Amino acid sequence: EDQVTQSPEALRLQEGESSSLNCSYTVSGLRGLFWYRQDPGKGPEFLFTLYSAGEEKEKERLKATLTKKESFLHITAPKPEDSATYLCAVQAWGQGAQKLVFGQGTRLTINP
Amino acid sequence: DAGVIQSPRHEVTEMGQEVTLRCKPISGHNSLFWYRQTMMRGLELLIYFNNNVPIDDSGMPEDRFSAKMPNASFSTLKIQPSEPRDSAVYFCASSLEMSGSRADTQYFGPGTRLTVL
Repeated sequence: EDQVTQSPEALRLQEGESSSLNCSYTVSGLRGLFWYRQDPGKGPEFLFTLYSAGEEKEKERLKATLTKKESFLHITAPKPEDSATYLCAVQAWGQGAQKLVFGQGTRLTINP
Repeated sequence: DAGVIQSPRHEVTEMGQEVTLRCKPISGHNSLFWYRQTMMRGLELLIYFNNNVPIDDSGMPEDRFSAKMPNASFSTLKIQPSEPRDSAVYFCASSLEMSGSRADTQYFGPGTRLTVL
């Protein structure tokens, strides 16, 4: 069974203090790993898709990386507006290949 | 450019009543997904459609839940009868799936917050 575990559950940082969020996954054959951002009362907002180990993608202060067992979301010099819950999800090849399996998320708070 | 549209945004009902949630996917997308989000279980896939055909309904909790997609621009998720444990936020998402291609990106709607008293 495909599984996704995110850590930590919650992270509180000062503005400008860089850090990383972890997403460990177990999947039969990775079709894609996704990062989403979710603000309170809203739907998940797409950030990145990673397809194979070694791949990296960047967007503003965020950088996502992928290995064969985990993905990291690096946040450089965060601002208060980066506060949100960050969700990781995997999609596997095979039957039901479009199914996304989500982790529980990391709730990130950036204090000014 | 309209995203995924869901209605209603909030629904409060009493146990035993029928509840119908509605979703309009992004125009041109051929896949539609229904998810449920709770504090305890996180975000879980209930069912998804490809070209209006249900593909995987293994996440549907029980027979009280049903979903339909009569055409490419509309889907419903129905709960009958509703129970307090059905209280959650229900999300609809859509994507453009191309056979054999890389993973497609799912775009989520704003959700419907359901409270069953």
